[in-house]
Amino acid sequence: DAKTTQPPSMDCAEGRAANLPCNHSTISGNEYVYWYRQIHSQGPQYIIHGLKNNETNEMASLIITEDRKSSTLILPHATLRDTAVYYCIVRAPLNYGGSQGNLIFGKGTKLSVKP
Amino acid sequence: NAGVTQTPKFRILKIGQSMTLQCAQDMNHNYMYWYRQDPGMGLKLIYYSVGAGITDKGEVPNGYNVSRSTTEDFPLRLELAAPSQTSVYFCASTQVVTMNSPLHFGNGTRLTVT
Repeated sequence: DAKTTQPPSMDCAEGRAANLPCNHSTISGNEYVYWYRQIHSQGPQYIIHGLKNNETNEMASLIITEDRKSSTLILPHATLRDTAVYYCIVRAPLNYGGSQGNLIFGKGTKLSVKP
Repeated sequence: NAGVTQTPKFRILKIGQSMTLQCAQDMNHNYMYWYRQDPGMGLKLIYYSVGAGITDKGEVPNGYNVSRSTTEDFPLRLELAAPSQTSVYFCASTQVVTMNSPLHFGNGTRLTVT
């Protein structure tokens, strides 16, 4: 699985949009970009994933560049409860090229939402 | 659905003791995983299973064993606990409905070996 690069930490004001960048310049054509977050040592929580197109759900939006070498997770109106470590992970589809679906975690970005 | 349930939440072991970390899911997921997370680090894969009766090693399997006799349960066994196994352990599962199904995680077992 391709590696990702994320800033170690970011701050965001409550109520503002949080934009978390991720670089995955070695991503392969069939690899998906996943975002998870981990709040204070709880289990990682799935946020969103995408392949090529931008994606949006009730939690966040995912913007993937046209060349797929980077992406941005957007939390449109950050709250204090969004303070967490955010992980950007690239993963091949299950059963493709030996992939068994596991996620390879880096150190992520620690997002601090401040009042 | 309860999702992925891990027990116990916390445990302190003495060096050389053994224990089993329990993981159960009620979503009929066929893929299950065990990860460990050391302080300030990302998660590392210990073992995984693609179905009942099938298990395989991940990145850091030494000192651990697993079994998968049912779809629902995937216990992780520590035979001779060592201080290096002090960590938080997470179990996860997913189903192969689509090839990009996300993983669902439990809330972890915090283990201290002294």
